[in-house]
Amino acid sequence: GEDVEQSLFLSVREGDSSVINCTYTDSSSTYLYWYKQEPGAGLQLLTYIFSNMDMKQDQRLTVLLNKKDKHLSLRIADTQTGDSAIYFCAESRKFSGNTPLVFGKGTRLSVIA
Amino acid sequence: GAGVSQSPSNKVTEKGKDVELRCDPISGHTALYWYRQSLGQGLEFLIYFQGNSAPDKSGLPSDRFSAERTGGSVSTLTIQRTQQEDSAVYLCASSFGTGGLDTQYFGPGTRLTVL
Repeated sequence: GEDVEQSLFLSVREGDSSVINCTYTDSSSTYLYWYKQEPGAGLQLLTYIFSNMDMKQDQRLTVLLNKKDKHLSLRIADTQTGDSAIYFCAESRKFSGNTPLVFGKGTRLSVIA
Repeated sequence: GAGVSQSPSNKVTEKGKDVELRCDPISGHTALYWYRQSLGQGLEFLIYFQGNSAPDKSGLPSDRFSAERTGGSVSTLTIQRTQQEDSAVYLCASSFGTGGLDTQYFGPGTRLTVL
């Protein structure tokens, strides 16, 4: 089964807040990331949070981490049409010292003008 | 500075042919990763290189897939006898390879279509 889970679609009106949720399964994950993928482009790192934090704010972005429930969320304030993209949650694991990222399937955010 | 580059950006091939996909990591990055993004799927880890260590091939889906990294820099992912299910976007990422926060930077990907 999927180790990192996200809802596949989210639609919001321009100016509203968007909240994208993610659940993960590996409690040993040290860092959790949010990446953004615009059409035809690669993945762009948006923000990350260390596992000993429960909140991180960066301009319009707020990341909340509930380690007990293994739940991560990304809130985008004042959502703009340029925020329309696919957002991937990813966790960083250690496999014999290596750290491939484990990604969710991505949440497609559509912003309605 | 230059980011991760990949070539070709698009590749269309016939079933049964071999293909090679190239990745140029960011200069100074010792770690290099290959991922595959299939339609409707998340990113699937394929293979990981760290410096001169033996690569972690645990994500390769079959023995038709192989990758090498020459001189600790450029990497080539080779798919032999391509199948239609190999159609996907192949993404390369690189990082400094240090412990702790080791941010991976992604290239734009190669879209592979197997007819």
